[in-house]
Amino acid sequence: LAKTTQPISMDSYEGQEVNITCSHNNIATNDYITWYQQFPSQGPRFIIQGYKTKVTNEVASLFIPADRKSSTLSLPRVSLSDTAVYYCLVAGSGNTGKLIFGQGTTLQVKP
Amino acid sequence: GAVVSQHPSRVICKSGTSVKIECRSLDFQATTMFWYRQFPKQSLMLMATSNEGSKATYEQGVEKDKFLINHASLTLSTLTVTSAHPEDSSFYICSASQVLGGPEAFFGQGTRLTVV
Repeated sequence: LAKTTQPISMDSYEGQEVNITCSHNNIATNDYITWYQQFPSQGPRFIIQGYKTKVTNEVASLFIPADRKSSTLSLPRVSLSDTAVYYCLVAGSGNTGKLIFGQGTTLQVKP
Repeated sequence: GAVVSQHPSRVICKSGTSVKIECRSLDFQATTMFWYRQFPKQSLMLMATSNEGSKATYEQGVEKDKFLINHASLTLSTLTVTSAHPEDSSFYICSASQVLGGPEAFFGQGTRLTVV
């Protein structure tokens, strides 16, 4: 399973767009990139998954360059409730369960 | 989305006793479930893979005799922390995925174990 590297923490203000970048230099051809969100004392929650280029859903966008060695999670117009830890994971297709979590990025949204 | 439920959400036990944590997939069947442990300010660490009808697979460094896992049905996996000690105090989280479902894993709400 490819190792991921993310910033340990980020600060933002309400209403701003937040971009969290993740490095995964050793990503394999069949690996997908998945992001999870975790609030204190709760289990992680799936945000978005992508393989290449751009993926968008109702909560976020995921940008993946052609070499796929990094990815950027974009959260539009964050609110205080987006304060959480965000994890970037890389795993093969079909491997939705055995997940290896990195350190994650603690996002603090300020008023 | 699918729902995974854990019980209890928090438990306090005395040192030397055993504690059982349940993980249920409420609206789907899960042949495989996963157990994680998370210490304060740290990331989730995979402990073991729970396989319905067969033995669990433990990650390196996880004591299988201390963390007993039973996956007797397609919707229930249990983790028993035997002879618990204060250093076992942690946040335990389970997850499951739908067969032929979407890309996401569904996590339980977690169980806060405190051993006193």
